[in-house]
Amino acid sequence: GAGVSQSPSNKVTEKGKDVELRCDPISGHTALYWYRQSLGQGLEFLIYFQGNSAPDKSGLPSDRFSAERTGGSVSTLTIQRTQQEDSAVYLCASSPPAIAGVNEQFFGPGTRLTVL
Amino acid sequence: GQQLNQSPQSMFIQEGEDVSMNCTSSSIFNTWLWYKQEPGEGPVLLIALYKAGELTSNGRLTAQFGITRKDSFLNISASIPSDVGIYFCAVPPRSGGSNYKLTFGKGTLLTVNP
Repeated sequence: GAGVSQSPSNKVTEKGKDVELRCDPISGHTALYWYRQSLGQGLEFLIYFQGNSAPDKSGLPSDRFSAERTGGSVSTLTIQRTQQEDSAVYLCASSPPAIAGVNEQFFGPGTRLTVL
Repeated sequence: GQQLNQSPQSMFIQEGEDVSMNCTSSSIFNTWLWYKQEPGEGPVLLIALYKAGELTSNGRLTAQFGITRKDSFLNISASIPSDVGIYFCAVPPRSGGSNYKLTFGKGTLLTVNP
């Protein structure tokens, strides 16, 4: 079956512009996560969705970042007034309904954002 | 917040050699995870450890959950070129309940020369 897909795969934008990054999770996965990966760094948690609700937005770096999820499926991460420090790979992951222990998170290939 | 110290940052080895990397923390965790990320892809879970002292294998990969619960090790035996990638350790929050919020180490970049 299809894995997590993200689009675009690459995005180059000018400082000050808004960007939207899209994530299509694996069908049937109730949880969805966004992470940011900067060069030479590990993954930084941004936000978590359970269904369409975001119980934890604590990782969003500033109010320029927002995300939504509709229909318990597709999610969009929006960055307004982009800054050069926003340049990174944005990774989306999804996981099935929890059973026990830590849910395995299945990652998409990421969107590489470059802000000029 | 939680911080993981992962080492080494990078390794350059010859095909057939064994590899060892580790993650340490000043905090105690109940779960340790190891992921591999190949170029242009997202991380993929390799091994999950849930019990202190646990030793788990997945093919040529072996990971151990340190007895102090503050560290974990990943070993790769008889490396092959397709082992190339970045290996990350990761942990959920110490308080539990919010297992989704993983903290990742900065990764070990592995290069294997054929």
